Amino acid sequence: DSGVTQTPKHLITATGQRVTLRCSPRSGDLSVYWYQQSLDQGLQFLIQYYNGEERAKGNILERFSAQQFPDLHSELNLSSLELGDSALYFCASSVEVSAETQYFGPGTRLLVL
Amino acid sequence: AQTVTQSQPEMSVQEAETVTLSCTYDTSENNYYLFWYKQPPSRQMILVIRQEAYKQQNATENRFSVNFQKAAKSFSLKISDSQLGDTAMYFCAFMEYTSGTYKYIFGTGTRLKVLA
Repeated sequence: DSGVTQTPKHLITATGQRVTLRCSPRSGDLSVYWYQQSLDQGLQFLIQYYNGEERAKGNILERFSAQQFPDLHSELNLSSLELGDSALYFCASSVEVSAETQYFGPGTRLLVL
Repeated sequence: AQTVTQSQPEMSVQEAETVTLSCTYDTSENNYYLFWYKQPPSRQMILVIRQEAYKQQNATENRFSVNFQKAAKSFSLKISDSQLGDTAMYFCAFMEYTSGTYKYIFGTGTRLKVLA
């Protein structure tokens, strides 16, 4: 157990819908990262927040957005969902912004029908 | 552009034997970090080992060690005394700070199967 929690574990929804994925970092970690892993693919970095501020942005679609709240939990919002958005979404956390070591949550499996 | 290449989609090894997974990367920066992550069937991402580019000494963690060749931009993972529990996908990953932001790039993975 990495100490990073993600909810929900599974999510099934329809195309065109909007969903919110939630992540709670390890106690004491200020940085949160979001990744997308499509079926049998590597991880794609989406976005990073540090202490409430966006610090790095990867290949995140405009339909996707994220934020980190004052209690340091983070949410990833996915809207106008498409079939291709079906994937495993990981959240990771680290103490510092530079993130030499990231601790991953168990992931949220999203299925868009 | 920064890239991470894992040229071995699948590998197998006999239990107790040694196996090496290869990874190459491309960057113009001098300071960066390299990682190997393990993803077992449970899909949990587990950090296996990490290497700071400014350190010449190869990192080791118990049965896991790396061969870091900075000039060749190569970062291979050696697993000694392979165990059935080592069966998993292994991802090579790269992190650097450049142009005022951090970049995190993962390879496509190598599926390792340890045979009894």
